[in-house]
Amino acid sequence: KNEVEQSPQNLTAQEGEFITINCSYSVGISALHWLQQHPGGGIVSLFMLSSGKKKHGRLIATINIQEKHSSLHITASHPRDSAVYICAVRNSGGSNYKLTFGKGTLLTVNP
Amino acid sequence: GAVVSQHPSRVICKSGTSVKIECRSLDFQATTMFWYRQFPKKSLMLMATSNEGSKATYEQGVEKDKFLINHASLTLSTLTVTSAHPEDSSFYICSARDFKGVSDTQYFGPGTRLTVL
Repeated sequence: KNEVEQSPQNLTAQEGEFITINCSYSVGISALHWLQQHPGGGIVSLFMLSSGKKKHGRLIATINIQEKHSSLHITASHPRDSAVYICAVRNSGGSNYKLTFGKGTLLTVNP
Repeated sequence: GAVVSQHPSRVICKSGTSVKIECRSLDFQATTMFWYRQFPKKSLMLMATSNEGSKATYEQGVEKDKFLINHASLTLSTLTVTSAHPEDSSFYICSARDFKGVSDTQYFGPGTRLTVL
């Protein structure tokens, strides 16, 4: 079973700061998701990646397969970025798409 | 990007009644959909995997007679919470797998908050 660890658990930043959230996993994977969940619950898929780096607006996600580690970066953070960020991994092999979730990182960006 | 909808977004029901939650993939066909449950301040817990045209596969500890799943078409899966009790109050989230051979990803619905009185 894959163990997914996120750090930090809680993060408070000032508006404009550069944010990094980390995700480590224990077993090889075929894909990793970064999800965002705002208060009230709705989940938004930010990225799915299996190698390298992806960028969307102020968000950047990187993954190092050898190190079994991924990072989510937010540049020029804004209060509307305040949310829980969740890392989820799909194990290698198998035909299904079961995900193993991290516990999430609660980000609060103050104005 | 692909969109997955859930209906209703919120539902309040009396204890003993049944509640049906719908999950739809709006612009792709999903042979597989997943149902999750989330307790306050906790991560998502997979309840079952729903495959179109076949019986759902339930995770250990999830009562299949309590949480009925039907995946009758490639764009719709339903979760029915039968004889709901207050302890069933939770946030239920579905996701749909979009598999096109080369690409294989999963999109999440916005969730349904169930409150059982």
